[in-house]
Amino acid sequence: QSVLTQPPSASGTPGQRVTISCSGSSSNIGSNTVNWYQQLPGTAPKLLIYSNNHRPSGVPDRFSGSKSGTSASLAISGLQSEDEADYYCAAWDDSSWVFGGGTKLTVL
Amino acid sequence: EVQLVEAGGGLVQPGRSLRLSCAASGFTFDDYAMHWVRQAPGKGLEWVSGISWNSGSIGYADSVKGRFTISRDNAKNSLYLQMNSLRAEDTALYYCAKFSGTQWLYQGGSFDIWGQGTMVTVSS
Repeated sequence: QSVLTQPPSASGTPGQRVTISCSGSSSNIGSNTVNWYQQLPGTAPKLLIYSNNHRPSGVPDRFSGSKSGTSASLAISGLQSEDEADYYCAAWDDSSWVFGGGTKLTVL
Repeated sequence: EVQLVEAGGGLVQPGRSLRLSCAASGFTFDDYAMHWVRQAPGKGLEWVSGISWNSGSIGYADSVKGRFTISRDNAKNSLYLQMNSLRAEDTALYYCAKFSGTQWLYQGGSFDIWGQGTMVTVSS
């Protein structure tokens, strides 16, 4: 059972907008920033969004993040086939780093 | 090119030890904290341990506390994870990750560069 809760799966068709939620508590998301990681099949995770809503250099602006209270969301607009991957949220929690269980995004 | 290359994984019996290493290049290693994150087969990501830029502060997940020891050698641009008393549930792909800040517990930081991982299998 992960400290941060994500839906196990999500899906969308090319061009569509999809969102992935991440629910936490006052000890993690409620008081700290949220990061999002993308893990393409068979590869290492990659930083996608940091500090709630900032994109590292090279990440398309189709990806955006937001946070409200003890929840965060990742939005992907203009969905593309190469976006099919696992997505993880993460945050600091009291004395350790915690991840969500991951959301497998399928592009139909 | 910024790069992290892990090594040292393998098949080990329960109760035995293993030492992982991570060679860093392409950035000023001693400017950043470093972490180990693992992923069991078919499962999600789990933070294992973090170490500050100068080894002055270290943290562990409860699941490995007392059994694993993280260390670094800034002169060699290398990160290590000594794993003792290994259990079947430690079976995972172990990733080395660069942190965006100097202190591993900086709440506003992120794991901004990841290695490709080294597989550890604990089985008799």
